[in-house]
Amino acid sequence: GNSVTQMEGPVTLSEEAFLTINCTYTATGYPSLFWYVQYPGEGLQLLLKATKADDKGSNKGFEATYRKETTSFHLEKGSVQVSDSAVYFCALSEGSSYKLIFGSGTRLLVRP
Amino acid sequence: NAGVMQNPRHLVRRRGQEARLRCSPMKGHSHVYWYRQLPEEGLKFMVYLQKENIIDESGMPKERFSAEFPKEGPSILRIQQVVRGDSAAYFCASSPPENPYEQYFGPGTRLTVT
Repeated sequence: GNSVTQMEGPVTLSEEAFLTINCTYTATGYPSLFWYVQYPGEGLQLLLKATKADDKGSNKGFEATYRKETTSFHLEKGSVQVSDSAVYFCALSEGSSYKLIFGSGTRLLVRP
Repeated sequence: NAGVMQNPRHLVRRRGQEARLRCSPMKGHSHVYWYRQLPEEGLKFMVYLQKENIIDESGMPKERFSAEFPKEGPSILRIQQVVRGDSAAYFCASSPPENPYEQYFGPGTRLTVT
């Protein structure tokens, strides 16, 4: 079945460092891909999305490119801030029911 | 436009009791999804509903769990005879009919079974 694999955390960075969180997927067909962010005690917020190969999603300095040849959707940010500390989830949508399949999440901790 | 609303935010139940979780989708959204997040894990799909219809319940446990989205009022996730393993965060999401892939999540209900 379809699945999403994320790099394990936690990822600890200093402020202004470069961030990469790896995400790869397994899917039949052509899913849409998403990154969600979860701040402590809150629900998930949609961070960015891409609906077809080579699309680049971007938001708040984060970006990710849908790479069909490597089945990847890695999240990047050029300069992280303390306020970016959260758990990041990669997800794909599946089939006609539109349900999301999530990776296990990667916790990011940014130190001042 | 208010976001997805869930209540209660925290719910404590003893083993064997019933838990009812409510979700009000965003205005104009007709698709509702329920997900469960166990501690230190990602979210797992449970059920997808439209008004008065269950579209996909492939993620729902076969027993004790049910969901509805009536014509009027919020969507309800009902867990009968709760057990400790039901302790988790339950998230509801909604999406507009014209873009069902774009799901907006509520703050979740954290269920603790003692």
